[in-house]
Amino acid sequence: GQNIDQPTEMTATEGAIVQINCTYQTSGFNGLFWYQQHAGEAPTFLSYNVLDGLEEKGRFSSFLSRSKGYSYLLLKELQMKDSASYLCAVSDSNYQLIWGAGTKLIIKP
Amino acid sequence: IAGITQAPTSQILAAGRRMTLRCTQDMRHNAMYWYRQDLGLGLRLIHYSNTAGTTGKGEVPDGYSVSRANTDDFPLTLASAVPSQTSVYFCASTNGAMTTGELFFGEGSRLTVL
Repeated sequence: GQNIDQPTEMTATEGAIVQINCTYQTSGFNGLFWYQQHAGEAPTFLSYNVLDGLEEKGRFSSFLSRSKGYSYLLLKELQMKDSASYLCAVSDSNYQLIWGAGTKLIIKP
Repeated sequence: IAGITQAPTSQILAAGRRMTLRCTQDMRHNAMYWYRQDLGLGLRLIHYSNTAGTTGKGEVPDGYSVSRANTDDFPLTLASAVPSQTSVYFCASTNGAMTTGELFFGEGSRLTVL
């Protein structure tokens, strides 16, 4: 079966750095996505990785290792507004997205 | 309208009733999707449409139907609602192939079936 694993919940301190991991087992791979979802709102796109390596976008970076079936989202200089759920999703061989259950990130002052 | 709009935002429904969730986008995106989101689970695809006039079944299609008469509209119908269909429903769209990413989501429709 296809599976995306990510931690259920993480806590971090304002101004710090946090890394949210995602491991996947899917039938085929056509890219990995990270989305941010604030409570009661729609998911919004953060990043897309299809090749191995690190993609940096401001305070957010996303890393992919296809051989290990692994990705992480790195958030730097955490702000209170970063409190949200972070969703990992993989595009499989049919270009359908398989979603993880999301990681709820709690930021404390 | 800017982006993707869903209606209603929230609805309480008696079991056995018929319900249609509306979704409209003004971005001229070819592909549209309906997901449900339940606590502790990832988003699950119900139905999708790669282009106007075509639809396909996702991971959890039973009890739901869709139509795609034109590019902009993609309604989701529950023919006879059951309590297990209590969920938050998201409509999404994307332009072109999924490989380049970005799904645009509507604000969601919270449905409670009693």
